[in-house]
Amino acid sequence: NAGVTQTPKFRILKIGQSMTLQCTQDMNHNYMYWYRQDPGMGLKLIYYSVGAGITDKGEVPNGYNVSRSTTEDFPLRLELAAPSQTSVYFCASSLYNEQFFGPGTRLTVL
Amino acid sequence: GENVEQHPSTLSVQEGDSAVIKCTYSDSASNYFPWYKQELGKRPQLIIDIRSNVGEKKDQRIAVTLNKTAKHFSLHITETQPEDSAVYFCAATLTGANNLFFGTGTRLTVIP
Repeated sequence: NAGVTQTPKFRILKIGQSMTLQCTQDMNHNYMYWYRQDPGMGLKLIYYSVGAGITDKGEVPNGYNVSRSTTEDFPLRLELAAPSQTSVYFCASSLYNEQFFGPGTRLTVL
Repeated sequence: GENVEQHPSTLSVQEGDSAVIKCTYSDSASNYFPWYKQELGKRPQLIIDIRSNVGEKKDQRIAVTLNKTAKHFSLHITETQPEDSAVYFCAATLTGANNLFFGTGTRLTVIP
């Protein structure tokens, strides 16, 4: 099993551009999550999903959108990138409480 | 919502010494407390967790203790080794809930 995979690994965006961060898991987990990790800080939940077709906001959802059309995929969309969205983004999935994280996407908005 | 505070933010110990990291939480309903280790440039990985019906849990050199009355829990690492150097995050949630509330992390450095 590959576990949780994310693409791209790195990305630089200009202010106002949009992009989609991809996340895929092959563990058949119902729950999936998107976190952001700012330097020297913990992880903040952006959005989560309890199954295909169901998504909900976390602590810091503003500026982001998600969709969950399949159990495996949970993409995160940034519509109008802002410097405040410079961060490392982690996707995670879980069956029960233990969350398995992807390798992360380092995003810089200039 | 839940608020998790973690101390210290940085910790340096000599190889072989013990390290203790402490967390407090605000929501008395929280009953699941995991600890994640994040090596430099890597993803967080679960190292140990505890549920509120247990006061202590051990796994080789690591242990976690929970004081529900005081709403705090701690990570103990004994006989530290250089490979224990990493950032450690505590978290809290209610079993069955959909999000973990993370502390801000402790950067542990083990000096050979």
